[in-house]
Amino acid sequence: SQTIHQWPATLVQPVGSPLSLECTVEGTSNPNLYWYRQAAGRGLQLLFYSVGIGQISSEVPQNLSASRPQDRQFILSSKKLLLSDSGFYLCAWKEQGYNEQFFGPGTRLTVL
Amino acid sequence: AQSVAQPEDQVNVAEGNPLTVKCTYSVSGNPYLFWYVQYPNRGLQFLLKYITGDNLVKGSYGFEAEFNKSQTSFHLKKPSALVSDSALYFCAVSDSPISSASKIIFGSGTRLSIRP
Repeated sequence: SQTIHQWPATLVQPVGSPLSLECTVEGTSNPNLYWYRQAAGRGLQLLFYSVGIGQISSEVPQNLSASRPQDRQFILSSKKLLLSDSGFYLCAWKEQGYNEQFFGPGTRLTVL
Repeated sequence: AQSVAQPEDQVNVAEGNPLTVKCTYSVSGNPYLFWYVQYPNRGLQFLLKYITGDNLVKGSYGFEAEFNKSQTSFHLKKPSALVSDSALYFCAVSDSPISSASKIIFGSGTRLSIRP
């Protein structure tokens, strides 16, 4: 069966520091991968998605970037964090040929 | 462009009573509809989906949802609520066929609170 991992689970970082969040999927090949941010426990904002290695689409201009160095690895990065980057970051995957997405456990980021 | 609305921020139900969480959608083509549940500090869990076929879709944990094309709605229902059903529920829609990108648009969420 497929599983999705995210780490770290929680992170507290000072303003201006770099960021790297990692997401990996097991048990599937060539998945679509997604990064979302959830603010204040409510709606989800799609940040990036990827349909293959090295292919990244950005949904909103912002202080973040994403990379997909391997088929089942998706990384969210920032060179300098802002206070507004705080939130709950969720990674999701979707199998080719299906519409539903499956989510990882999330990373709670607090920028101080 | 597709959109989805969850008109209720919060729904309160007594344990054992039926529950309904409302969702309406707007898409330009055929809708692909989903419900997810989120427990505190956790990722979203997939509950059920409507792609085509029967208007009543059954999902996990005893939940079901009714697709109504004329009302463009996809309300989530359960005949008898449990305290453990208390969580944040998201409705979602995609109008893409099974394509490579296939983005999903999520509603703002409805907090379901079941009182003992």
